[in-house]
Parts: sequence; structure tokens; C-alpha cells
Amino acid sequence: GIQVEQSPPDLILQEGANSTLRCNFSDSVNNLQWFHQNPWGQLINLFYIPSGTKQNGRLSATTVATERYSLLYISSSQTTDSGVYFCAVELVGGTSYGKLTFGQGTILTVHP
Amino acid sequence: KAGVTQTPRYLIKTRGQQVTLSCSPISGHRSVSWYQQTPGQGLQFLFEYFSETQRNKGNFPGRFSGRQFSNSRSEMNVSTLELGDSALYLCASSRTVSGNTIYFGEGSWLTVV
Repeated sequence: GIQVEQSPPDLILQEGANSTLRCNFSDSVNNLQWFHQNPWGQLINLFYIPSGTKQNGRLSATTVATERYSLLYISSSQTTDSGVYFCAVELVGGTSYGKLTFGQGTILTVHP
Repeated sequence: KAGVTQTPRYLIKTRGQQVTLSCSPISGHRSVSWYQQTPGQGLQFLFEYFSETQRNKGNFPGRFSGRQFSNSRSEMNVSTLELGDSALYLCASSRTVSGNTIYFGEGSWLTVV
């Protein structure tokens, strides 16, 4: 099946620092999303980005589908950015119809 | 508009019992999917429903089942609970089955003792 690998697994920052999270996937996808899981467990959708670049405030994301990777950029990090960030993909067609495959996540800790 | 709503939020069950979890999707969304999250296995796909039909199923035993109603609300059931079923169960909805933004609910925390 499809492999989704996120790096780094852990990231510790001081408030105000910038960071880049990476997601590599092993096959063609028609859906790629970035999520932030809050301390209560909810997955908050950050970006739906199967290709191209998007920005939302201090966050931006880029997916290069032909090279099978996506990047999530966090600028001027705040303590509220702490949590786990997941990349999830849906393969094109076949048995992956309607199914997201998640990476193992990046645990981000932002210190004041 | 209201997000994906899951009930109950927290529950404790005994081994051997069964549990039913409920999910109300975002209004207008017809696809509902379920995921299990555990520390050891991460987030894993359980099943997906669209127009009351299961369109895809993950690699879970038959003790895990679900259904979708005509109003798109969904339930999942786990019978003969095992300790390893302790997990966060997340429901998600989207407008269609594939290629759309998927939105998640707050989850149901299940503890099996």
C-alpha cells in the first residue's frame, strides 16, 4: 500500500522561530491534507492541497505531486502551534477510494 | 454552520461488551468515514459510507461494523470489546467520496477495562 512518511518526527522551537514539516508519499494522490491535532484529539484541517501552493496567515503549504512530497511552513511560531501535525493522502482510484492514509505525524513543541 | 458532531465523547466499557458510536456530518455532506487512533498504530481507516452504502473498508475484524442512514448520519458498532479496542474513534465527513476536503469531528474516546 501507499507509504506516507513525515519528517522530522519531533521538533522543538522557541516562540517566533520558523519551521518546515515534510511529507513524502509513495504513489499518485488525488487528495492531500494537512491537519493539526489539538490537545483534545480533534483533527483540525489546515490545508487541502493535492498540488500547488496555499497560504493561510502564518501557515503555508506546497505540494509537488510529480515529485511526491508536500511541505508545511509555519512562520513566527506561537505556543498555540504546539501539537501534532499530520499529513494524509488519498490514492487515485482502486481500493483507496474515500480512504485517507496518514503519516505518523510530527510532534511540534513551541516554548515561550 | 455546525461541524461534524460525535457522541458520546467519552465512554468506558468492559471487555466483552459492545459499543455504538454516533456521528452527524456537516450539513450537505454525504460521505462519512471512520478512523481509529491508537498510540501504537496511529490513525487507521475503518470504513467509509456514501448514500447509505459502504464504499470502502479497512483491515479490521468483523467485530467492527457501521451503517449510514438516509440523513447521512452514521453509527459504528464494536462488538465483543477487547482491551486493544481502547482508542480515539474519529468520524469525518465530506461532500463526496473522493477528492474533497475531509473534516473531522472531536472524536469519541473509548476505554475498555
